[in-house]
Amino acid sequence: AQSVTQLDSHVSVSEGTPVLLRCNYSSSYSPSLFWYVQHPNKGLQLLLKYTSAATLVKGINGFEAEFKKSETSFHLTKPSAHMSDAAEYFCVVKGTARQLTFGSGTQLTVLP
Amino acid sequence: DTEVTQTPKHLVMGMTNKKSLKCEQHMGHRAMYWYKQKAKKPPELMFVYSYEKLSINESVPSRFSPECPNSSLLNLHLHALQPEDSALYLCASSQVALGLADYEQYFGPGTRLTVT
Repeated sequence: AQSVTQLDSHVSVSEGTPVLLRCNYSSSYSPSLFWYVQHPNKGLQLLLKYTSAATLVKGINGFEAEFKKSETSFHLTKPSAHMSDAAEYFCVVKGTARQLTFGSGTQLTVLP
Repeated sequence: DTEVTQTPKHLVMGMTNKKSLKCEQHMGHRAMYWYKQKAKKPPELMFVYSYEKLSINESVPSRFSPECPNSSLLNLHLHALQPEDSALYLCASSQVALGLADYEQYFGPGTRLTVT
């Protein structure tokens, strides 16, 4: 079985400062991990994915995440936040039978 | 083209109505999914179709009836819903994983359903 824990339900940063959204996972085998973003009243958009290739994964809109097996973490970062980054972010682990296990989400607020 | 479309965007229905949600993708994906998302919560899986056959039903009440008429279309038929069924309904699609391959899911914008 697999599980995902997003360590912060809310993160607030100022525009132009770095973003860190934390995610820990649990999986009995080498997992596939994803970060999705959801803007208000919208569907989910894939930011990036890890599928056992490079441990540092670059995604869209300047986001990247590092897979650390020893720490069972997959934290999402961005060097400089933009107002348009304000949204809900979900860390997701892929299980068997094509099922996704979602974290509880982190609401990112970007202050002007 | 990585687009999944859903219609309608909003739907208000009474508890005795029958309505349908529609989802379409033209990415050649052979796996399609329905999710339900309540406010401030992650999506919950309802159904999975693989090669147009229902492969997973997450113990969803029978008032929700999925249908996959072809490889591009996915419907969700609604009947005798309850107010607690009000939510955002998301459709997604992906390639079918074979062996160790793993593929991401692409989500549509959702249908906001309100049951009165």
